[in-house]
Amino acid sequence: KNQVEQSPQSLIILEGKNCTLQCNYTVSPFSNLRWYKQDTGRGPVSLTIMTFSENTKSNGRYTATLDADTKQSSLHITASQLSDSASYICVVSRSFSGGYNKLIFGAGTRLAVHP
Amino acid sequence: DGGITQSPKYLFRKEGQNVTLSCEQNLNHDAMYWYRQDPGQGLRLIYYSQIVNDFQKGDIAEGYSVSREKKESFPLTVTSAQKNPTAFYLCASSFPDRVETQYFGPGTRLLVL
Repeated sequence: KNQVEQSPQSLIILEGKNCTLQCNYTVSPFSNLRWYKQDTGRGPVSLTIMTFSENTKSNGRYTATLDADTKQSSLHITASQLSDSASYICVVSRSFSGGYNKLIFGAGTRLAVHP
Repeated sequence: DGGITQSPKYLFRKEGQNVTLSCEQNLNHDAMYWYRQDPGQGLRLIYYSQIVNDFQKGDIAEGYSVSREKKESFPLTVTSAQKNPTAFYLCASSFPDRVETQYFGPGTRLLVL
């Protein structure tokens, strides 16, 4: 079954600390993996996207890693800020013949950064 | 949120009532999507459209209907047949050959009275 599992479900950290969010997937055939940030009551905004051949991608204080062999990805947030409080969603794209891809969404990790 | 707008931000539905959620985009995208988001679950695809006047059911289309008369617009109707409509609804758009690069609107929260 094509699934995306994220952990932890929720996380509380203090401002300035680092944290790492996990994403495990069983999607096949794999096309790419993307991390989104979703503020409460808003639509998701893309942070990074990685294809099969990429194992690290950074976007400012956000660094995503991908291990295609173990089908795991992580999102590392450095020097957290209050504005990082949001849900972080892992999305894996499943490729089909003819070039059409289908997105499989994880349930997200809800991060709260406290002062 | 890019060039995608959704309205209203909040919507209340009475029993037996159909309601329509609006989604407009000015990104010149051919493909548009509707998702439902429930607490503790990933986004689930309701309907998608890859071109004007054409749309396909997603994973949870029952109780919903859509139309795609214009490239810029993809309204979603939640019918009375949808027995559990309370959720956060997200519209997205993309170029048809770049399904993995979807831009999302700000969402509409639907509540049942």
